[in-house]
Order: sequence, then structure tokens, then C-alpha cells
Amino acid sequence: AQSVAQPEDQVNVAEGNPLTVKCTYSVSGNPYLFWYVQYPNRGLQFLLKYITGDNLVKGSYGFEAEFNKSQTSFHLKKPSALVSDSALYFCAVRDRWITGGGNKLTFGTGTQLKVEL
Amino acid sequence: EAGVAQSPRYKIIEKRQSVAFWCNPISGHATLYWYQQILGQGPKLLIQFQNNGVVDDSQLPKDRFSAERLKGVDSTLKIQPAKLEDSAVYLCASSFGLTGGGTGPETQYFGPGTRLLVL
Repeated sequence: AQSVAQPEDQVNVAEGNPLTVKCTYSVSGNPYLFWYVQYPNRGLQFLLKYITGDNLVKGSYGFEAEFNKSQTSFHLKKPSALVSDSALYFCAVRDRWITGGGNKLTFGTGTQLKVEL
Repeated sequence: EAGVAQSPRYKIIEKRQSVAFWCNPISGHATLYWYQQILGQGPKLLIQFQNNGVVDDSQLPKDRFSAERLKGVDSTLKIQPAKLEDSAVYLCASSFGLTGGGTGPETQYFGPGTRLLVL
């Protein structure tokens, strides 16, 4: 079984400060990992994904995430937060060795990011 | 490039009524997904299609939910009869395929969703 935990319901950060949104995962084998962002009344927008290789993945809008196999984590980061980054962020995982085919993602419960002036 | 289209955007129905949602994926995308997102939770996969065939419907409540993608493009998700606990946002997503060869799974792109309220 595959699962994701986002331990923080909300993260508050001042504009211009670095931000981190935490994600830990559990899979039977090796993971594929994703971050999505959701703005109010809109669908999920893809930010970045980890497939293999370099543990630091760079994505859209200046976001990046670091894959840490020993800690089973995939935290989302940005060096300097903007007010417009305020949104709901979802981490998702897919086990590399999925039975029955398919491309099933398991999402976390989401972390609300609030960036204030 | 046009994104995933969904309609309607909002729907309010009484319990035991029927409702249907429509999705048009990104042009050329063979794989289509329906997710249910209950307030305060992450999206949960209900069903995924590869062209017009079902790949995974293990989490679809088949006693009341059905979905089809007859011509391998548009898809319809139906609930009949609806229950109060079906109140949620129903998200449609699409991807070019299931896997990207050696580059892992294809990225899924989401539509704006249909917000359903069952009274």
C-alpha cells in the first residue's frame, strides 16, 4: 500500500522568507513523488515530480523539493515566499512497482500555506 | 493548449436524485481519471481509463457510481442515487499515457472540478 502524510494543516510565513511544506511517504518499493497546488475554486496544478536521479527537483514558480530516501520525505521549498503563493498544497505518491497497471496517485490531506506581508 | 474541461461547475441536488458530470480531456491524452475530493481531504481516485477501457475502478462505489468513456475521449461520471456523503468536488484529470517509458509515470493534469452538494 502507498500513503502520504502532510503533518501540518497550515503553514504561515512572511513574504520574502523561505518556506517549507513537509511531506513524508510510505511505499512498498521505491516512490514516484509529486507536488500539486490548488487555488480556491480551481483544480490542482502540477508543480514538480521526482522520478529518479538528482534528489533536488526544481519545478514551476520557483518551487523545489528534496527527496530524502532515508527519511522517506519529499519537502517542498521556496527560497523567498510571495503573497501569491498562498494556496493549498498537496503531496502525492505512486509506488514504482504498482500491481495491475495503472497510474494511481495517493494524495496527502493538504497543507494550507499562508504568506503574509 | 486547452486544459481539461469539466461541466457543470456546481450542482445542488436532493438525496436519492441522480447527477452526471462531464469531462473533456486535453487533446491527445489517452488516459483519463476521475477523483473525489471531500472537504478537508486529498483527492481520491475513483476510476481511470486508458482510451475507452477501464484500468482501475477498485475504489468506485459501483452500487451507485458509474463512468464511461465510450469513444475514448470525453467521459461521464454518474451517481444514482446520490447520498449526503457524496457531497464533494469531483475532479477529472488526464495524462498522455500511463507511463513515460523510462521517465516514470505521466504527469496528470486536472480540470477545475465540479462541486456537488447533496441535500
